[in-house]
Amino acid sequence: EPEVTQTPSHQVTQMGQEVILRCVPISNHLYFYWYRQILGQKVEFLVSFYNNEISEKSEIFDDQFSVERPDGSNFTLKIRSTKLEDSAMYFCASRTGTGYEQYFGPGTRLTVT
Amino acid sequence: AQSVSQHNHHVILSEAASLELGCNYSYGGTVNLFWYVQYPGQHLQLLLKYFSGDPLVKGIKGFEAEFIKSKFSFNLRKPSVQWSDTAEYFCAVIYSGYALNFGKGTSLLVTP
Repeated sequence: EPEVTQTPSHQVTQMGQEVILRCVPISNHLYFYWYRQILGQKVEFLVSFYNNEISEKSEIFDDQFSVERPDGSNFTLKIRSTKLEDSAMYFCASRTGTGYEQYFGPGTRLTVT
Repeated sequence: AQSVSQHNHHVILSEAASLELGCNYSYGGTVNLFWYVQYPGQHLQLLLKYFSGDPLVKGIKGFEAEFIKSKFSFNLRKPSVQWSDTAEYFCAVIYSGYALNFGKGTSLLVTP
């Protein structure tokens, strides 16, 4: 069964550094998402991406964040200058063009020190 | 603000006990409702979903949920839990667009 994959599984970075989190969505899916979960808190929506542009974003997704689909398979989330409060589990998800169900990857745990 | 509430944060049950996890949402219009499960060390998986039609929906692994519009609720049930049901359970709602709004999750521990 096709799955969403994410790399790395764990990323440690220093405050102020740039990080890129990578995701490979399911191959025939058209909509891509990033969510995050700060430890002890709920999963929060960051951004959705369709047809090579952002279709929705939350208040969390400020100018420090960007997303890109650099090729036909990868979907990336970049944080330009990480802050301590960016430490969280980041989940990528994807869905087809017709269904509402989103399929999630295993997550990348980002630790900012 | 649109929100999703899960009433029970930690639930401990013995095997074969019945399970009901509460979920309430805050919007009176059309919503799409989901329950996701996260087993230890694994990713979020869809248990079941409701878009329209029969308000009693059945999902994988014997789970079901009932949409009660008048109560803004979408409670998850299972008649008899197993040790393998130990996991974190998340209710999620799409209010508009396609972004999932999650509840805080309920941690279920099933003891042998």
